[in-house]
Amino acid sequence: GIQVEQSPPDLILQEGANSTLRCNFSDSVNNLQWFHQNPWGQLINLFYIPSGTKQNGRLSATTVATERYSLLYISSSQTTDSGVYFCAVDPGTASKLTFGTGTRLQVTL
Amino acid sequence: DADVTQTPRNRITKTGKRIMLECSQTKGHDRMYWYRQDPGLGLRLIYYSFDVKDINKGEISDGYSVSRQAQAKFSLSLESAIPNQTALYFCATSDPVRGRDNEQFFGPGTRLTVL
Repeated sequence: GIQVEQSPPDLILQEGANSTLRCNFSDSVNNLQWFHQNPWGQLINLFYIPSGTKQNGRLSATTVATERYSLLYISSSQTTDSGVYFCAVDPGTASKLTFGTGTRLQVTL
Repeated sequence: DADVTQTPRNRITKTGKRIMLECSQTKGHDRMYWYRQDPGLGLRLIYYSFDVKDINKGEISDGYSVSRQAQAKFSLSLESAIPNQTALYFCATSDPVRGRDNEQFFGPGTRLTVL
């Protein structure tokens, strides 16, 4: 099956810093989503981005489908950005998401 | 109000007990999914359903069964719970016809502990 790798696995930032999270996938995909899992365990949809670039406030994402990677940018990080960020892809065979193992982000004061 | 709800939110049970986790949605989506998440890992698909008459096994279906009682309801059962089924369980929905291809939306999760 498709492999999804996320980097870095862990990231510690001071409040106000910027960061880039990466998601590599091993095969072509029809869909790609970024999620934020907050410290309470809830999964929050950030972006649905099978290709191209999108922005939502301090967050933006870019997917280069031909090169099989996606990037999530977090600018001016806040403590509420802490948690785990997951990339999930759908290779299009049966509408099933395959998740990466996540990037754990901690934003400190 | 939450579009995807899960009950219970937390459950502690003993080995060998039968457990049912329930998922309801008001999004009007046809497709529903059950995933489990183990500590430090991403989610893995247990079962999925494209409509009331369509049920499919996912990556890790052994030890689980599901029932799609209606378009809006999808239940996950553990017939005889074992400790390695201790995990966080998520229900999700999607609707490629009305929504954007297969964007999935997740419920709040059920934290299950099997002693």
